[in-house]
Amino acid sequence: QLQLQESGPGLVKSSETLSLTCTVSGDSVSSTNSYWGWIRQPPGKGLEWIGNIYSNGTTHYNPSLKSRLTMSVDTSKNQFSLKVSSVTAADTSMYYCARFTAADAFDIWGQGTMVTVSS
Amino acid sequence: SYVLTQPPSVSVAPGKTASITCGGNNIETKSVHWYQQKPGQAPVLVIYYDRDRPSGIPERFSGSNSGNTATLTISRVEAGDEADYYCQVWASSSDHVVFGGGTKLTVL
Repeated sequence: QLQLQESGPGLVKSSETLSLTCTVSGDSVSSTNSYWGWIRQPPGKGLEWIGNIYSNGTTHYNPSLKSRLTMSVDTSKNQFSLKVSSVTAADTSMYYCARFTAADAFDIWGQGTMVTVSS
Repeated sequence: SYVLTQPPSVSVAPGKTASITCGGNNIETKSVHWYQQKPGQAPVLVIYYDRDRPSGIPERFSGSNSGNTATLTISRVEAGDEADYYCQVWASSSDHVVFGGGTKLTVL
């Protein structure tokens, strides 16, 4: 049974880089046609797509965040990661990792991790 | 960029049918997916490919997509269906995911 678990600091200082990791269990992060994504949700607001990364390393990023994003896959640890640089209070959100299927939907989600940006 | 529009809220009495819409330009040419999110929980996929249900999702949940509107329909609504619902598509022209703004379903 596929499970995803986000991890990373819950508090990040303004202007610094937010770094999160998603650990995959029950499947290989490098499986053929494996796609993985990050989604965030500010407190009391809706879902915002951050970006996707594919098993071959191809990435697709939200245009509004693209200049500050880096995603990567670590096959040795069966993890994929997200970095958001130059964070501000607007980046305070619950961050979710999820599997992105061939149907272009997110079918399995992690429980989410809350990240607060402090000044 | 592609925009999905949902009503902020929908209310329905228990046992009745709830319809939540998702508007987008010529959305019928895209596959629409729906998520249910209860307070304090991660979203759950309830409909994919416009009308297919993942394993474990009750048959009371159904979907349709025509013209400029996709619709999530919940029949025989229960108190446990109270949640936020989001539609989502893949904008292939720009290679990115788009979410609707979400609809809060209230069971009266």
